[in-house]
Amino acid sequence: ETGVTQTPRHLVMGMTNKKSLKCEQHLGHNAMYWYKQSAKKPLELMFVYNFKEQTENNSVPSRFSPECPNSSHLFLHLHTLQPEDSALYLCASSPRQLAGGLNKNIQYFGAGTRLSVL
Amino acid sequence: GQQLNQSPQSMFIQEGEDVSMNCTSSSIFNTWLWYKQEPGEGPVLLIALYKAGELTSNGRLTAQFGITRKDSFLNISASIPSDVGIYFCAGHFNSNSGYALNFGKGTSLLVTP
Repeated sequence: ETGVTQTPRHLVMGMTNKKSLKCEQHLGHNAMYWYKQSAKKPLELMFVYNFKEQTENNSVPSRFSPECPNSSHLFLHLHTLQPEDSALYLCASSPRQLAGGLNKNIQYFGAGTRLSVL
Repeated sequence: GQQLNQSPQSMFIQEGEDVSMNCTSSSIFNTWLWYKQEPGEGPVLLIALYKAGELTSNGRLTAQFGITRKDSFLNISASIPSDVGIYFCAGHFNSNSGYALNFGKGTSLLVTP
C-alpha cells in the first residue's frame, strides 16, 4: 500500500464514451502527476499539479482533461478517446517542494488504471 | 524530458545469482531513483540517491550514484523468485527544471527457482 489509491483499476470504453479516472493520496503531499505507461515505452508524463495549480502539460491531446480540486485528489476526464490511448494510467504524488531546498522529488505511485479503448 | 538508456532490457537468471543493471543519461542529474514494478501494480520506490558517488543499500539491493552524475547502477545479490518484475531508473535535475522525473524503459527480470 503506497498511500496513493486509483479507481477504477480496469476500464473498458468505447470511443464515444466519457469517463473519469480518480486518484486520491493520503500522504499529505502537494504535488500530483498523471503518467501514461504503454508497452515497451518509458513512462510518459502527462500533467503535473503543484498546490492544485497545473504546472506542466506535456502536449497532451485535449481529449484528456485533468482536474485537481484539492491537494489530495486528482481526476483525469476522458472523452472521445482513440484505440491508441489504451494503456496503464498511473497517478503519483510527491512532497511539498521547499523554497530554496533540494528538490528530492520522490514520487509515490498508485496501482494504475488499465484502460482499453474499443 | 531527457531519455535515459537503461540496460539490459531483460534478464533471465537462476535463483541465487547476483544481478546488475545500469542507467545512463546525456545530462547530469541531482537525484537518481530506482523503482520496481510488479504485474498489475504501479512502480514502488526501492532506493533514492542524492549525491555523486553515494552508495546506498536496501537489504539485498545496492545502488550507486555515478561520479559523473550521468549514470547509476542497481545490484541485487542472491536473487529470489519474488525479485521478478520490471526495474526502472529515474533521474531528476534540480527544481528549476520543474518536477518531471525522466524514466528509463525498464529492465525486466525473471528468476527461476
